[in-house]
Amino acid sequence: DSGVTQTPKHLITATGQRVTLRCSPRSGDLSVYWYQQSLDQGLQFLIQYYNGEERAKGNILERFSAQQFPDLHSELNLSSLELGDSALYFCASSVTPAQWETQYFGPGTRLLVL
Amino acid sequence: AQTVTQSQPEMSVQEAETVTLSCTYDTSESDYYLFWYKQPPSRQMILVIRQEAYKQQNATENRFSVNFQKAAKSFSLKISDSQLGDAAMYFCAYRPANFGNEKLTFGTGTRLTIIP
Repeated sequence: DSGVTQTPKHLITATGQRVTLRCSPRSGDLSVYWYQQSLDQGLQFLIQYYNGEERAKGNILERFSAQQFPDLHSELNLSSLELGDSALYFCASSVTPAQWETQYFGPGTRLLVL
Repeated sequence: AQTVTQSQPEMSVQEAETVTLSCTYDTSESDYYLFWYKQPPSRQMILVIRQEAYKQQNATENRFSVNFQKAAKSFSLKISDSQLGDAAMYFCAYRPANFGNEKLTFGTGTRLTIIP
């Protein structure tokens, strides 16, 4: 158990819908990262937050947005869902964004869009 | 842009034997970090081992060790005394040492099967 929690574990929804994925980082971790794992794209970085502020963006679609709240939990919002958004979404956290910090991954949220 | 290549989609090894998983990467940076993550059937991403590029000594963690060849941009993982619990997908990952760019770039993974 990494100490990173993600809810829900599984999510099934329909195209065009909107969902919210939640992540609670390890106690004391200030930095949160979101990654998407899909069959065709592999593991890709989406976005990073540090202490409530957006720090870096990767291949995140405009239909997707995220935020980190004052209590440091983070939410990833996916809207106008398409079949291709079906994937495993991971949250990871580290104490700080410092380069030497290890990122610890949560168990992931498996999203299925029908 | 940095890329990470794992050229072995699948590998298998007899239980108790040794296996080596390959990883190469492309970067113009001189300082960076390399990682191996394990993803068992539960889908959890578990850190196996990490290597700092500025360190010449290869990292080891119990039965897991790496062969880091900086000039060749190669970072292979050796698993000794393979156990059934080692069966998983293994991902090699790269992270630059640049401030403000802390994302992990992953390879496509190697599926490791352990033969009893």
